[in-house]
Amino acid sequence: DTGVSQDPRHKITKRGQNVTFRCDPISEHNRLYWYRQTLGQGPEFLTYFQNEAQLEKSRLLSDRFSAERPKGSFSTLEIQRTEQGDSAMYLCASSPSLAGEGETQYFGPGTRLLVL
Amino acid sequence: AQKITQTQPGMFVQEKEAVTLDCTYDTSDQSYGLFWYKQPSSGEMIFLIYQGSYDEQNATEGRYSLNFQKARKSANLVISASQLGDSAMYFCAMREAPDMRFGAGTRLTVKP
Repeated sequence: DTGVSQDPRHKITKRGQNVTFRCDPISEHNRLYWYRQTLGQGPEFLTYFQNEAQLEKSRLLSDRFSAERPKGSFSTLEIQRTEQGDSAMYLCASSPSLAGEGETQYFGPGTRLLVL
Repeated sequence: AQKITQTQPGMFVQEKEAVTLDCTYDTSDQSYGLFWYKQPSSGEMIFLIYQGSYDEQNATEGRYSLNFQKARKSANLVISASQLGDSAMYFCAMREAPDMRFGAGTRLTVKP
């Protein structure tokens, strides 16, 4: 399977706990994106990596959120001191480093987080 | 500000018929990309079709075509010969590098 993979697929945690999600992009893709999707809404952009460099972060990404891509391959998204409002689907996407607007992003299956 | 508007929360179509899902967008950029994604109940976002702002011809991919009207800032998705497996959420998205902004989606139900 050469698609984007995410782990875990589901996570239930108690408020105040830390959680970490992993994303493995398509192997040739230099760009990696994180999105959050709440029920009944489209995905919202969180952050974006070009290789190991985090180039952009949304205002949605509070100080409790941190993302890394240490070797320019897989990425992790950590949420510290989770709150009930963090309950959502967290989607990862990757794309090749083509310039311009036609860069198609390919999505993983997502990690569904429930904070109790 | 809302950049992508999908005005149809839900749509029904009879199997084998065509359906149009509406999408309008707002941008002041000259260069942008428009995408449609399908999200079945499993949750994965599946890329369907892409239209560049400078493309003069409407994009087509199999049963999917994009009715691009630049002056009206609309990028409607047309699905021909609907199949039961087409039942899903459909999202219109616009890329103003590097962001991809999504609409709220349209839930399509194909009736046998």
